Amino acid sequence: EDQVTQSPEALRLQEGESSSLNCSYTVSGLRGLFWYRQDPGKGPEFLFTLYSAGEEKEKERLKATLTKKESFLHITAPKPEDSATYLCAADGNNRLAFGKGNQVVVIP
Amino acid sequence: DGGITQSPKYLFRKEGQNVTLSCEQNLNHDAMYWYRQDPGQGLRLIYYSQIVNDFQKGDIAEGYSVSREKKESFPLTVTSAQKNPTAFYLCASSDGGYRNEQFFGPGTRLTVL
Repeated sequence: EDQVTQSPEALRLQEGESSSLNCSYTVSGLRGLFWYRQDPGKGPEFLFTLYSAGEEKEKERLKATLTKKESFLHITAPKPEDSATYLCAADGNNRLAFGKGNQVVVIP
Repeated sequence: DGGITQSPKYLFRKEGQNVTLSCEQNLNHDAMYWYRQDPGQGLRLIYYSQIVNDFQKGDIAEGYSVSREKKESFPLTVTSAQKNPTAFYLCASSDGGYRNEQFFGPGTRLTVL
């Protein structure tokens, strides 16, 4: 069974304090790894798709990387507006398997 | 602006009632999806549809039903057979299959009284 585990579950950062979120996956034949951002009470918003180990993608203060077993979402010099839950999803066995999310709070 | 709309935003249901959640998209996407989100759990797929008049069960389809009579619409009915329907329901669409970026609607929060 495909599994996606995200850690830490919750993270509090000071504004400007860089950190990384982890997404570990157990998927047979990974075809893609997705990152989404979700604000409270709203639908997820697409951030990145990664397809192969070694691939990296960036958007503003966010950078996503992929290895054969996990993906990282690096947040560089975060601002309060980066506060959100970040969802990871792995495309494996004809489904997207979602993790439970990393809840990030950035304190001014 | 293109996007996905879901209505209502909040829905309250008495036990034993069926309710229908609306999902409409104007992105001209072929594929549409329904997910359920519970606190402390990842999104779980209820149903998905790749084309009009065709849909498949996801991982937790029991107690739910859908229809896809128009490309832009994919309503979800939560039936009385669903034992624990209180949750946040998300509709999504994608251009092509699930392997492409999915665009999500704002969600409907269903509460059973």
